[in-house]
Amino acid sequence: NAGVTQTPKFQVLKTGQSMTLQCAQDMNHNSMYWYRQDPGMGLRLIYYSASEGTTDKGEVPNGYNVSRLNKREFSLRLESAAPSQTSVYFCASRGLSLSYNEQFFGPGTRLTVL
Amino acid sequence: SQKIEQNSEALNIQEGKTATLTCNYTNYSPAYLQWYRQDPGRGPVFLLLIRENEKEKRKERLKVTFDTTLKQSLFHITASQPADSATYLCALVYGGATNKLIFGTGTLLAVQP
Repeated sequence: NAGVTQTPKFQVLKTGQSMTLQCAQDMNHNSMYWYRQDPGMGLRLIYYSASEGTTDKGEVPNGYNVSRLNKREFSLRLESAAPSQTSVYFCASRGLSLSYNEQFFGPGTRLTVL
Repeated sequence: SQKIEQNSEALNIQEGKTATLTCNYTNYSPAYLQWYRQDPGRGPVFLLLIRENEKEKRKERLKVTFDTTLKQSLFHITASQPADSATYLCALVYGGATNKLIFGTGTLLAVQP
């Protein structure tokens, strides 16, 4: 199993450009999450999807949109990138378990907005 | 709003010693708390989970305690090794079934040989 995969690994954008970050998991998990990680701020939740067909805002959703394409895939879109969105983005997934609730993280996408 | 604090300073210890990392939280009463390890350039990896009704949890050389009165969790690595060098993140679970996490900023542990 590949676990959680993310593409691209690195991206440089100019202010105002748009792009979509892709995330896929092969663990048949129901829940998926998008986080951003900034120095001194820790990981912050952008959006999450509790199950296929549902999405909801997290702590810092402004400037982002998401799509839960199917059970495997959860994409994050920046419609008009801003320098404040320079960050490392992590996707995570979680299965249904009565005894365990760990999240599995992807390797991250390092995004720079100039 | 919920707030989680971890040692902001890096923790440097000698190989073989016990590393102790602290996680303090305010304005919240989590049902459980998780610890993750993050290596440079990689995503976090889950280590341990402890519930509010558990005082202590162990896994090999790792031990986590959870004091809901003090609103504090301690993470211990015994007989530390250079390979334990990484950033360790504390995370509180909220949002019921949605299992949303609030993360601390992490503590960088450096184990010197």
